[in-house]
Amino acid sequence: SQQGEEDPQALSIQEGENATMNCSYKTSINNLQWYRQNSGRGLVHLILIRSNEREKHSGRLRVTLDTSKKSSSLLITASRAADTASYFCATDANDYKLSFGAGTTVTVRA
Amino acid sequence: EPEVTQTPSHQVTQMGQEVILRCVPISNHLYFYWYRQILGQKVEFLVSFYNNEISEKSEIFDDQFSVERPDGSNFTLKIRSTKLEDSAMYFCASVRAGGTGANVLTFGAGSRLTVL
Repeated sequence: SQQGEEDPQALSIQEGENATMNCSYKTSINNLQWYRQNSGRGLVHLILIRSNEREKHSGRLRVTLDTSKKSSSLLITASRAADTASYFCATDANDYKLSFGAGTTVTVRA
Repeated sequence: EPEVTQTPSHQVTQMGQEVILRCVPISNHLYFYWYRQILGQKVEFLVSFYNNEISEKSEIFDDQFSVERPDGSNFTLKIRSTKLEDSAMYFCASVRAGGTGANVLTFGAGSRLTVL
């Protein structure tokens, strides 16, 4: 399976701190995406990084991709209470299907 | 902003009953998906649908499951005879096209299915 596996499973941080989570996958990909899921809701796309990119930024999000290690990281800087959610990486091998991992649950304490 | 709409938001059914979950994808999207998430677990791919036929399905998507796009707007997932283990959140998603190779999915809010 090429699906991503995130770690840690859960993360609790203080507001204002940075949150880092990692994703590993098994096969070649076209791109890797990160999604957020608020409790009981659908997944919302955050950011996409292509296989030929190493780093990408979007607001307070920073994503890295290391295709040699088949891994990615998502950094949320200066976290806010509203960042409390589960974060999923999803791999895309250009077969019109995304494969998701189990997610990292982030709790930001006020 | 266009969104994917799912109904019902929550359905409770008895084991063995048929269930139909409905989705209205974004109108100019061409690929449609159903994913499932058992409470607290990973998001699992069930099936993808393109050009009025299934393009790929997972091992979960057995003969009890079927999908249909009956009228060009609705996209339905039918479970013929529900089992307890079908209890999960079911997400519909759609994507416009894979022209750039970047399939960014837009998800609905989900339909929670509880099988008693």
